[in-house]
Amino acid sequence: DAGVIQSPRHEVTEMGQEVTLRCKPISGHDYLFWYRQTMMRGLELLIYFNNNVPIDDSGMPEDRFSAKMPNASFSTLKIQPSEPRDSAVYFCASSEPGTAFLQFFGSGTQLSVL
Amino acid sequence: DQQVKQNSPSLSVQEGRISILNCDYTNSMFDYFLWYKKYPAEGPTFLISISSIKDKNEDGRFTVFLNKSAKHLSLHIVPSQPGDSAVYFCAASGGRKLSFGAGTTVTVRA
Repeated sequence: DAGVIQSPRHEVTEMGQEVTLRCKPISGHDYLFWYRQTMMRGLELLIYFNNNVPIDDSGMPEDRFSAKMPNASFSTLKIQPSEPRDSAVYFCASSEPGTAFLQFFGSGTQLSVL
Repeated sequence: DQQVKQNSPSLSVQEGRISILNCDYTNSMFDYFLWYKKYPAEGPTFLISISSIKDKNEDGRFTVFLNKSAKHLSLHIVPSQPGDSAVYFCAASGGRKLSFGAGTTVTVRA
């Protein structure tokens, strides 16, 4: 299997612009997680889905952040408008049925908001 | 609030010796504990896990020990190899969510 695939690997944008991060989970996995990693806060969970349905979005920092999962093989995390403090590495992870604690991560998207 | 803590930000060890990484947690409801390894510019990679009903799990050179009364777990790597140089994250599962520690950077010296 190709693993969890994230795109783009790097994104540089200007403050106020819309940013869309993409994720393709491992086929057959029914949980999908979005994380953000910063020096100050470490690795923090933003939102997770089960069978394409958002279950817990309590980690989403502000209304500027939104996430969707239109089908089992695709998810997006959108920031609109972006701010410099959103600069971080964003990871997507997925897990298979029955083992939600065992999560497989993508390579991440390095986001820089200027 | 940080429920999972790794108090040592870095560890340097000589090749062939043992690496011991420590992790403390506060939530007694955690049911699984995991260790992830991360190289620069890559995502965390699952290394080893342990259920809360066990006190030891071994996989090759990697052993995880769990002390529930002390709310403490540790990862032992024996023998340490240059390829083990990476950041190691401790994580704990409560339901479907993982809480991560801040990570420990391990450097294996030749």
